[in-house]
Amino acid sequence: KAGVTQTPRYLIKTRGQQVTLSCSPISGHRSVSWYQQTPGQGLQFLFEYFSETQRNKGNFPGRFSGRQFSNSRSEMNVSTLELGDSALYLCASSSQGAVNTEAFFGQGTRLTVV
Amino acid sequence: DQQVKQNSPSLSVQEGRISILNCDYTNSMFDYFLWYKKYPAEGPTFLISISSIKDKNEDGRFTVFLNKSAKHLSLHIVPSQPGDSAVYFCAARGFGNEKLTFGTGTRLTIIP
Repeated sequence: KAGVTQTPRYLIKTRGQQVTLSCSPISGHRSVSWYQQTPGQGLQFLFEYFSETQRNKGNFPGRFSGRQFSNSRSEMNVSTLELGDSALYLCASSSQGAVNTEAFFGQGTRLTVV
Repeated sequence: DQQVKQNSPSLSVQEGRISILNCDYTNSMFDYFLWYKKYPAEGPTFLISISSIKDKNEDGRFTVFLNKSAKHLSLHIVPSQPGDSAVYFCAARGFGNEKLTFGTGTRLTIIP
């Protein structure tokens, strides 16, 4: 079974631009969550999607948005990029088949804003 | 407000000995706990989990202990191997909620 796939792996953008990151969950997994990892703040929850609906949202500004498609693939968008948005963005999927299920992470997308 | 805390930023253990990583939490609504291992520039790899109805879960060299009254969990790795050198994160989740709250991580170094 293929794992969680994130594309691209690396990205360099300029301040003020926008960026879209993609995540393909493990086959059969319907829940996709996004996290931001920075040296100062650790792993912070951005949002979670299930069946194309955002179910949970972290404390990030509205510049951070996402969506999920009918095949469970998800995209995350950041508009008007700031230097502080430089981070490793991680996507996780889980099956939601049982109450206690593990979340499996992709390799991440390293975003650098210059 | 750091709801999940890993108070030891780093830990060094000799190969073959036991590694004990600790984690404390404050939110009594958390009912499922997970440990992840992470290498730089990669995503976290799931290691082991435990439900709040249990106090111990084992998987090979890894054992997680949960003390609900103390809001404390620990990960034991025995015997420790050089490949175990990585950053370890504990994470917690509330019932029916996919959101994971992570600790700040502990860097484990296994000394050959």
